[in-house]
Amino acid sequence: GDSVTQTEGQVTVSESKSLIINCTYSATSIGYPNLFWYVRYPGEGLQLLLKVITAGQKGSSRGFEATYNKEATSFHLQKASVQESDSAVYYCALSLSTGGNNKLTFGQGTVLSVIP
Amino acid sequence: GPKVLQIPSHQIIDMGQMVTLNCDPVSNHLYFYWYKQILGQQMEFLVNFYNGKVMEKSKLFKDQFSVERPDGSYFTLKIQPTALEDSAVYFCASSLQDTQYFGPGTRLLVL
Repeated sequence: GDSVTQTEGQVTVSESKSLIINCTYSATSIGYPNLFWYVRYPGEGLQLLLKVITAGQKGSSRGFEATYNKEATSFHLQKASVQESDSAVYYCALSLSTGGNNKLTFGQGTVLSVIP
Repeated sequence: GPKVLQIPSHQIIDMGQMVTLNCDPVSNHLYFYWYKQILGQQMEFLVNFYNGKVMEKSKLFKDQFSVERPDGSYFTLKIQPTALEDSAVYFCASSLQDTQYFGPGTRLLVL
């Protein structure tokens, strides 16, 4: 079946340093999946951070970027300079269809702690 | 952004009893979803629902599970009877297209 694997466990980064959270995927369908990064801030629900539905394209939001690399089947999340407010749990996810009526396959989540 | 609400936030129930989890989706959304996350594990798709029907369900969506959205009110997940392995956080989501908006989850503990 489809699967998503991301950097395990907790990542601790000092404020203003760079960040990369790795994400690779495996999709069984013909064609390319849609790729997402979701984030859960402390005390809040899961929310979309960014999405890319076209292979080769880059998505960006709130200073985060992720490039859809179909050759490497990767969608790593990067930020040049993190802030303490970025501390949260980050989830990489994929879906196999556009439009509604799709299902998301999630990675296991990566806890980001940004220390001052 | 758009908000999805879930009621209750926590529920403790004895094994064998029935439980209903309620989701108040974004008002103009058409597609509805439930996901399950057991502590320490990945969030997993249970079911999606559109136009009054289940469109797709996973192997986790056991016969004891059912979903409905009567007359455009809450989108509900009912488990009858509950089992110990149903203890998890259940997340509801809704969408108009491919972006799903999630609720904060209902933490269900089956004793």
